[in-house]
Amino acid sequence: GENVEQHPSTLSVQEGDSAVIKCTYSDSASNYFPWYKQELGKRPQLIIDIRSNVGEKKDQRIAVTLNKTAKHFSLHITETQPEDSAVYFCAARRDDKIIFGKGTRLHILP
Amino acid sequence: GAGVSQTPSNKVTEKGKYVELRCDPISGHTALYWYRQSLGQGPEFLIYFQGTGAADDSGLPNDRFFAVRPEGSVSTLKIQRTERGDSAVYLCASSLGPNTDTQYFGPGTRLTVL
Repeated sequence: GENVEQHPSTLSVQEGDSAVIKCTYSDSASNYFPWYKQELGKRPQLIIDIRSNVGEKKDQRIAVTLNKTAKHFSLHITETQPEDSAVYFCAARRDDKIIFGKGTRLHILP
Repeated sequence: GAGVSQTPSNKVTEKGKYVELRCDPISGHTALYWYRQSLGQGPEFLIYFQGTGAADDSGLPNDRFFAVRPEGSVSTLKIQRTERGDSAVYLCASSLGPNTDTQYFGPGTRLTVL
């Protein structure tokens, strides 16, 4: 089955700098890759997603890139702000099953 | 409109007891998913319903876990003979239909087995 690896597990960046979180997946048939943000005690919220027929997608300060050949995808957050502090999960979907990574705890330092 | 809701928000039970967790998906969403999230981990897939039927239950850890969705809307996750290792947040999500991309999560039920 699908296996999703996510790195790093913890990331601290200075406010205003960029943050990058990387994920790899194992099943080449996976075709949809969402990213979720989860604040403490809250539900996961979808922040951006990308389909396998697209290499890059951007939404304001957030962008995601996908390399199907290498089976890896990344989340980029620019001009980080305090409210970006949270746990971020990447995921990969094949058919209707979504497999999540273990998460990255992002700390934005003042 | 209303999002996915789950009840109860918290459940504390004793080892060996039976528990039921309820999920109300977004109205009109035919696909419903259950996940389990342990501390410091990502959501772990348990089971997926399309309509009333369980299309994929490969994530259920053992036969103590069972889920139903008799009318294709509300779903109940049932855990028999609970064990301390079952303690986790149980998340429900729904999406518009099969192979529809966005899954919307509920707030979860925090289950604690003493």
